[in-house]
Amino acid sequence: DVKVTQSSRYLVKRTGEKVFLECVQDMDHENMFWYRQDPGLGLRLIYFSYDVKMKEKGDIPEGYSVSREKKERFSLILESASTNQTSMYLCASREIGGNTIYFGEGSWLTVV
Amino acid sequence: GEDVEQSLFLSVREGDSSVINCTYTDSSSTYLYWYKQEPGAGLQLLTYIFSNMDMKQDQRLTVLLNKKDKHLSLRIADTQTGDSAIYFCAEILGDTGRRALTFGSGTRLQVQP
Repeated sequence: DVKVTQSSRYLVKRTGEKVFLECVQDMDHENMFWYRQDPGLGLRLIYFSYDVKMKEKGDIPEGYSVSREKKERFSLILESASTNQTSMYLCASREIGGNTIYFGEGSWLTVV
Repeated sequence: GEDVEQSLFLSVREGDSSVINCTYTDSSSTYLYWYKQEPGAGLQLLTYIFSNMDMKQDQRLTVLLNKKDKHLSLRIADTQTGDSAIYFCAEILGDTGRRALTFGSGTRLQVQP
């Protein structure tokens, strides 16, 4: 089975801190995604990467950056965390041209 | 443009059928998906349907697609308390190679014993 692992399930950070959310997948997928989930808004795409060192902005990239140095790892970076970035963050992956997108368990981030 | 809409809440009694509806706006959608999210968990893929199909059945789940009206539904037969969750409709456009899913806001299904 495909496994998408988000290393931190629950984090509490202070305003202005730099935050790293890590995601690893074990199926050699080319495509990886970061979404945030907020009540009543569903999932919104922050960034995605279609291969190593390749990235594209999603619908809400402001305040975020990403890093894809290795195929299996896709990191989401909050350069200076703000309270409006308190949310659940979901990582996903898919093989190129594949129909199925697999999700991690999510990372709950609270910025105080 | 890309927009997927769902009602926010549905309540049913255990044993009844549940029907969760979704509308989308982009006629070039190629695949449409249903995901389930249980409390505190990530998203679990339930099923998906290719846009040239009208219906897909998988055990208790039936997906109906009306392309003319851009309407997708998920029917859960004999709904159980374990089906209580948030259900997300999602679409992907055109070539799936470099595209991401666009999600609806999710429908919270509450199953009453």
